[in-house]
Amino acid sequence: EAQVTQNPRYLITVTGKKLTVTCSQNMNHEYMSWYRQDPGLGLRQIYYSMNVEVTDKGDVPEGYKVSRKEKRNFPLILESPSPNQTSLYFCASSLFGLMGSYNEQFFGPGTRLTVL
Amino acid sequence: AQTVTQSQPEMSVQEAETVTLSCTYDTSESDYYLFWYKQPPSRQMILVIRQEAYKQQNATENRFSVNFQKAAKSFSLKISDSQLGDAAMYFCAYRSRYGGSQGNLIFGKGTKLSVKP
Repeated sequence: EAQVTQNPRYLITVTGKKLTVTCSQNMNHEYMSWYRQDPGLGLRQIYYSMNVEVTDKGDVPEGYKVSRKEKRNFPLILESPSPNQTSLYFCASSLFGLMGSYNEQFFGPGTRLTVL
Repeated sequence: AQTVTQSQPEMSVQEAETVTLSCTYDTSESDYYLFWYKQPPSRQMILVIRQEAYKQQNATENRFSVNFQKAAKSFSLKISDSQLGDAAMYFCAYRSRYGGSQGNLIFGKGTKLSVKP
């Protein structure tokens, strides 16, 4: 089954304790992205990647890191989490085809993170 | 930079009635995509409908249709014959068709739709 998976689905942690949220897709997609969703703010992009070893900042990158060493994986790293990073996080992926072509973006199930 | 605005934080509709959710956007680009996503309580992001800016014809998907007004930069979603399962958060989103960041989605803040039986 074609899908984007995220782990963990739920996480409660404490301030300053490094954590990684994994994202994996099995569709051979080039493009992958992380969003955070907060009440009243919608979804905002954190980082994105257009291919292996190619990453770039989104609108709210502060406090986050990413890496893209393999095409299928795009982990989100919080080196020193703070309470303002409590949020719902989504990973998404799509093909990155010919310029102008439409490629649907597939979303993971979300990770609910609470930082105490 | 592009922006997407949803001015209705919450809306309510009676079952079997029709409801329209509003969305406006701002862009200097001439070619782009617009989307409506549904997020039910399960939190899954579900693509409801897509509109290509170069197409004048409004997109439709069963009970869901859009009113795309390019000059006014308006993109509303009409849900006909509303069902209890339509209750969800709805997000309007924009995506460039060209450019290095063409995959990036820009979302509005969402409209929470309630359906009354």
